[in-house]
Amino acid sequence: DAGVIQSPRHEVTEMGQEVTLRCKPISGHNSLFWYRQTMMRGLELLIYFNNNVPIDDSGMPEDRFSAKMPNASFSTLKIQPSEPRDSAVYFCASSRGQTDTQYFGPGTRLTVL
Amino acid sequence: SQQGEEDPQALSIQEGENATMNCSYKTSINNLQWYRQNSGRGLVHLILIRSNEREKHSGRLRVTLDTSKKSSSLLITASRAADTASYFCATRGNTGGFKTIFGAGTRLFVKA
Repeated sequence: DAGVIQSPRHEVTEMGQEVTLRCKPISGHNSLFWYRQTMMRGLELLIYFNNNVPIDDSGMPEDRFSAKMPNASFSTLKIQPSEPRDSAVYFCASSRGQTDTQYFGPGTRLTVL
Repeated sequence: SQQGEEDPQALSIQEGENATMNCSYKTSINNLQWYRQNSGRGLVHLILIRSNEREKHSGRLRVTLDTSKKSSSLLITASRAADTASYFCATRGNTGGFKTIFGAGTRLFVKA
């Protein structure tokens, strides 16, 4: 099993640009989570899906952030337009069920200049 | 908020010593999990303890849970330099969509 796959691993962009982060969960896992990690705020849950349906998006900071899960094997987190304060490491995680162990991807380090 | 809060924030010990990290939370939980994060890497799940369990072991790891005090501890015995990492507790609630809340973490440094 390849584990949770995230791309890109690093992204450097300029303020105002659109950023799309991608995640492929572990096959057979029904829940997918997007987290953001910064020194100041720690690890924050942005949104999670169960069976491709968004269950809780209360952690999405503002309308500039959106997430989709068109099928069981793919999810995207989009920031449009990006701002310097969005710079962080974004993690995707998946689990078999909503209350099961979460397996994290390697993360995408986003830098917005 | 049911956020887990780790204590201490940072811990430095010698190789071979035991390391104990604590986590406190605020509301009732379904389970509590401990994760490790090496610098620049993703989080790795270590152990999960359910609300009806009091203690769990996995190799050199021992986790305890006291729901009456809303606290948990992670003990790493006979620490090694490779244990140097940040350790996070994460609580999964009984309500609110089973959201997982992570604490700020304890940074452990094991000196060889």
